[in-house]
Amino acid sequence: AQKITQTQPGMFVQEKEAVTLDCTYDTSDQSYGLFWYKQPSSGEMIFLIYQGSYDEQNATEGRYSLNFQKARKSANLVISASQLGDSAMYFCAMREGSWSNYQLIWGAGTKLIIKP
Amino acid sequence: GAGVSQSPSNKVTEKGKDVELRCDPISGHTALYWYRQSLGQGLEFLIYFQGNSAPDKSGLPSDRFSAERTGGSVSTLTIQRTQQEDSAVYLCASSPWGLNTEAFFGQGTRLTVV
Repeated sequence: AQKITQTQPGMFVQEKEAVTLDCTYDTSDQSYGLFWYKQPSSGEMIFLIYQGSYDEQNATEGRYSLNFQKARKSANLVISASQLGDSAMYFCAMREGSWSNYQLIWGAGTKLIIKP
Repeated sequence: GAGVSQSPSNKVTEKGKDVELRCDPISGHTALYWYRQSLGQGLEFLIYFQGNSAPDKSGLPSDRFSAERTGGSVSTLTIQRTQQEDSAVYLCASSPWGLNTEAFFGQGTRLTVV
């Protein structure tokens, strides 16, 4: 079974609109962490936001927020007021177990294109 | 340097040749990772180095793949007798210790085996 599922292979969004990128995960661990990374066409992976399984509040970083619904095992990324520079691949990833576990499990990604 | 540096950025090689990919992590970062990303796919873990500990090589796809990290800093990923299925982007990342928050990635080496 897929551990990380990103159901949207591609999305087109009008500039300045909000965007929600879906991510569902599967783990039996109580302690885990969820990450979102952005990969522009230049290739590097850029860390966006992190949510720990015990964090009670949704993580926020500027225009990025993570809609963490633990019971549904979903960790959707919300980008407010989208910009042309947000066009990129977006990957959801999970670290299972304690923070000292160094392996990440990655989703297949969502290609986001922002239209002017 | 300020970020993770990888070289070369692009490499085209003939099937059967050996290639070396280099990663220069952020200074002071003890953890270093190699990932492989095939077209349109997520990242596939290859190998992990942490300080002076024995590396975790569990993700290496075959014995044609090897990696070393000299002096706890620069790392080289070597692919021997390259095959067309080795074509991918090879990404290196480093983090201060383990993966408690984030890893910093290089821009990758795009390897094409013809």
